Amino acid sequence: GENVEQHPSTLSVQEGDSAVIKCTYSDSASNYFPWYKQELGKRPQLIIDIRSNVGEKKDQRIAVTLNKTAKHFSLHITETQPEDSAVYFCAASGGAQKLVFGQGTRLTINP
Amino acid sequence: GAGVSQTPSNKVTEKGKYVELRCDPISGHTALYWYRQSLGQGPEFLIYFQGTGAADDSGLPNDRFFAVRPEGSVSTLKIQRTERGDSAVYLCASRSRGANTGELFFGEGSRLTVL
Repeated sequence: GENVEQHPSTLSVQEGDSAVIKCTYSDSASNYFPWYKQELGKRPQLIIDIRSNVGEKKDQRIAVTLNKTAKHFSLHITETQPEDSAVYFCAASGGAQKLVFGQGTRLTINP
Repeated sequence: GAGVSQTPSNKVTEKGKYVELRCDPISGHTALYWYRQSLGQGPEFLIYFQGTGAADDSGLPNDRFFAVRPEGSVSTLKIQRTERGDSAVYLCASRSRGANTGELFFGEGSRLTVL
């Protein structure tokens, strides 16, 4: 089955700097790669997603890149702000619709 | 309702007891998922329903765990003979079959503590 690895587990950056979180997946049949943000004690919420027919997708300060050959994808957050502090999860799924999550990255934005 | 609703929000039980957790998905969403999230970990897939049937139950850890969705809307996750290791937040999510994305809409979760 699918296995998703996420790095780093914790990340601390200065406000205004960029943050990058990386994930690898094992199942070459996976074709959908979302990123979820989870604030403390809250539900996970989708922030951006990408499908395998696209290499990059951007939404304001957030972008995701996908390398299908290497089976890895990354989340990029530019001009970080204090409200970006949260736990971020990558995930992957294929035709079976089962979404497999990574272990999470705790991002802290230092003012 | 406007979002995915889960009850109870908190459940404390003793080892060996039976527990039911309920999920009320977004109206019209045909797909429903159960995940389990332990502290500091990502959501762990348990089971996925498409309509009334379980399309994939490969994540259920053992036969003490069972889930139903008899009318294709509300789902109940049932845990028999609870163990301390079952303590976690149980998340339910739903998705619209016709959505352009595969976005899952999560509930707030049911925090289960087994003493």
